[in-house]
Amino acid sequence: DSGVTQTPKHLITATGQRVTLRCSPRSGDLSVYWYQQSLDQGLQFLIQYYNGEERAKGNILERFSAQQFPDLHSELNLSSLELGDSALYFCASSSHRAGKLFFGSGTQLSVL
Amino acid sequence: SQQGEEDPQALSIQEGENATMNCSYKTSINNLQWYRQNSGRGLVHLILIRSNEREKHSGRLRVTLDTSKKSSSLLITASRAADTASYFCATPDNYGQNFVFGPGTRLSVLP
Repeated sequence: DSGVTQTPKHLITATGQRVTLRCSPRSGDLSVYWYQQSLDQGLQFLIQYYNGEERAKGNILERFSAQQFPDLHSELNLSSLELGDSALYFCASSSHRAGKLFFGSGTQLSVL
Repeated sequence: SQQGEEDPQALSIQEGENATMNCSYKTSINNLQWYRQNSGRGLVHLILIRSNEREKHSGRLRVTLDTSKKSSSLLITASRAADTASYFCATPDNYGQNFVFGPGTRLSVLP
């Protein structure tokens, strides 16, 4: 058990809809990272937060947004969903910059 | 951004054999990490090697780093069926803010 909790584990929704993925980092970790994993794109970095502030942005679509709350949990919001958004979404946390990452078990998103 | 590229893409071996996976990256780094992912599960950190280290061991894992060649290797000795997984190398990006993962090596260990 990595200590990182992601909910829900599975999400099935329709095109055009909006969903929210939730992540609770390991106790004490201030950094939260979001990754998208698909068969054709591999593991793609989306966005990073550190202690509530956005620190780095990767290949995140404008339809996607995230935030980190004062209790350090984070949410990833995906809107106007398309079939191609179907993927595994991972949250990871770290205690400091460029250190070891602890991954959650992921949210499997299926857009039908 | 920097990216590690693992090689081979897939590897199939018998139990008890050694498995070697390689990772090449493009620019200078201060550390390189290896992760394992069982099918459909989250990634698990295996080992971190710093740029001033040449070799590191953890149980049956041995990682080497050659900064002059910008490459790293992960050796799993005496493999077991439970080692069947995908293995990824990860390097910090240019700003040291996040990690860039390679496409991974799919290892199959046959009983």
